Amino acid sequence: NAGVTQTPKFQVLKTGQSMTLQCAQDMNHEYMSWYRQDPGMGLRLIHYSVGAGITDQGEVPNGYNVSRSTTEDFPLRLLSAAPSQTSVYFCASSWPGDEQFFGPGTRLTVL
Amino acid sequence: DQQVKQNSPSLSVQEGRISILNCDYTNSMFDYFLWYKKYPAEGPTFLISISSIKDKNEDGRFTVFLNKSAKHLSLHIVPSQPGDSAVYFCAASGHNYGQNFVFGPGTRLSVLP
Repeated sequence: NAGVTQTPKFQVLKTGQSMTLQCAQDMNHEYMSWYRQDPGMGLRLIHYSVGAGITDQGEVPNGYNVSRSTTEDFPLRLLSAAPSQTSVYFCASSWPGDEQFFGPGTRLTVL
Repeated sequence: DQQVKQNSPSLSVQEGRISILNCDYTNSMFDYFLWYKKYPAEGPTFLISISSIKDKNEDGRFTVFLNKSAKHLSLHIVPSQPGDSAVYFCAASGHNYGQNFVFGPGTRLSVLP
């Protein structure tokens, strides 16, 4: 039981490049979400999904896309990276309304 | 405008003493609150929760108190241990938030030996 896994752990991009952050969970959780953590800001919700085929925007969705084709996977796509997207990204999963299990995070730097 | 506030960015406590971490919220629709603990280079891990129908919840050395009228909750750690040194996030949710949680900015706790 690996819980929530994220890849890569670290990534450096140039402005304008695109990439996909991977997230997978093996707990059969319906709910999955992506957060970004910035100093002094806590965790801010980017996008979330309540089940396969269903996604919705969180607090800070601009510049990011998500899809949920399976229960296990919830990738986050950066369409055209900007320095403002330099952050630590966390994926989480849970049963509806329960506490969330977080992945180890991806530290992204955009130059 | 932050709906969940943790006004102390950092806190230092001597080993064996009590640590008190505070959290305030502005949205009266919040009815479920959680505390998460985060070590460097790791994801947050769930610590303890409380529903608005209760005013206290205990789990070992950790107790969370909720004061609904003041929109305030606190996490007490007794006795504090060096392994408790981490960043603590308060999070809140309510019926109008579905399954989503709003997180505070975190408090960094240092427990000194």
